[in-house]
Amino acid sequence: NAGVTQTPKFQVLKTGQSMTLQCAQDMNHEYMSWYRQDPGMGLRLIHYSVGAGITDQGEVPNGYNVSRSTTEDFPLRLLSAAPSQTSVYFCASKQGPSGEQFFGPGTRLTVL
Amino acid sequence: DAKTTQPPSMDCAEGRAANLPCNHSTISGNEYVYWYRQIHSQGPQYIIHGLKNNETNEMASLIITEDRKSSTLILPHATLRDTAVYYCIVRVGSGNTGKLIFGQGTTLQVKP
Repeated sequence: NAGVTQTPKFQVLKTGQSMTLQCAQDMNHEYMSWYRQDPGMGLRLIHYSVGAGITDQGEVPNGYNVSRSTTEDFPLRLLSAAPSQTSVYFCASKQGPSGEQFFGPGTRLTVL
Repeated sequence: DAKTTQPPSMDCAEGRAANLPCNHSTISGNEYVYWYRQIHSQGPQYIIHGLKNNETNEMASLIITEDRKSSTLILPHATLRDTAVYYCIVRVGSGNTGKLIFGQGTTLQVKP
C-alpha cells in the first residue's frame, strides 16, 4: 500500500490564482481530512469527510473548498489564493472515528 | 480550540525515559486521548490512544489519571530519533465526526 499520497510536494502561486491540492489513499478509509500547519504552530483542521459524498468544515475552512466523489480521493481547492494561505498542507485518513490517523507527506504552498 | 495543555518544550537524556504530561481537564466521558508526534517537516505519526485504562504498545505507554483530567506519555528509552513535537489531542465530537484538533504540542529534545 502507498498509504496517503499528496501532490504536488511544492507549489508557488500568485495572489488570485486557483489550484487544487490532490490527496489519495489506498487503504479504503472512510475518514479523510485536510490540515494546514503554519511555522511554529500545530495543525489546524480545514475540512474533513466521513465518507464519499459527505464533507464538513473544520476550524479554518474559509478560502477552501472540498469534495469527496470517491472513497480514495479528497482534493482541496483554493479558488483565489491569498498570501495568508502560505502554509504546509497535510492530508490524513483513518478507518473510523477512533482509529489511527495516517498522514501524507505534505504540500508546501507559497502564495506571493 | 484544542482542549489540552502541554508544556512547550522538554529535554531528555538519551536512553532515559521521557515523560510528557498533558492536561485535559474538560474531557468528557466518551472522549479519547490521542498522542501523535511530528518529526521535522514530516507528516504527524500516530503513537497511541486510550480512553481510561493505561495503554502500552511498541512505541510508548499512556498513563491516564483516574479522573481522566490529565495523562502522561512515556517513551521508555528515548533515542535521538525521538526528538520531535509531541501532540496530545482529545477527540472532538462524537459518533461519525471524530475530528482531531491539534494544539501547539511539546517539543521534545533528546540529548546525547
